[in-house]
Amino acid sequence: AQKVTQAQTEISVVEKEDVTLDCVYETRDTTYYLFWYKQPPSGELVFLIRRNSFDEQNEISGRYSWNFQKSTSSFNFTITASQVVDSAVYFCALSEPHSGGGADGLTFGKGTHLIIQP
Amino acid sequence: NAGVTQTPKFRVLKTGQSMTLLCAQDMNHEYMYWYRQDPGMGLRLIHYSVGEGTTAKGEVPDGYNVSRLKKQNFLLGLESAAPSQTSVYFCASRGTVPNTGELFFGEGSRLTVL
Repeated sequence: AQKVTQAQTEISVVEKEDVTLDCVYETRDTTYYLFWYKQPPSGELVFLIRRNSFDEQNEISGRYSWNFQKSTSSFNFTITASQVVDSAVYFCALSEPHSGGGADGLTFGKGTHLIIQP
Repeated sequence: NAGVTQTPKFRVLKTGQSMTLLCAQDMNHEYMYWYRQDPGMGLRLIHYSVGEGTTAKGEVPDGYNVSRLKKQNFLLGLESAAPSQTSVYFCASRGTVPNTGELFFGEGSRLTVL
């Protein structure tokens, strides 16, 4: 079963529009972490945010904001007033560090390709 | 401030050739990982290591071998490369204290198998 679902394969908006990237996760753990990474055309993975399962406060960082809702197992990412430089692939990921054994690594969604048109 | 360094960054192989990707981290992390990234598939875990001298299989281990002889290095080997192994490979590491789950990634290695 897919643990992290990013249903939007590709989104295209015009610059200055707001855009929300959806992320739905699945876990049986009570302690877990959620992440968003950005992958610009240059290819590196850029860490954006980490949220632990006990902190449901929404977070805002400049034009970026994140909405974490445990009731719907979602961790959505909104970019306000989008810019061309926001064009990238965005990955949502889940870490279950206390799952016992195993990799305790990150499980990634398949990514959302965001295209900001000028 | 190197973090996680992968070499080489790019490589072209012919089917059947072998090669090794090297990952080095300078953060004294216990855990290290190799992922592959394919279009539309996200990142998938190939192998991982929870400490020096230990390795384990991830989600897509077939066709790869790994070694962790030194804590700071994690090697990914392809003994007989196949076109299906054309991909971008990412190495990552993380610490255990505190255990925040955050992975630190290298810049990626693009491998093409002809």
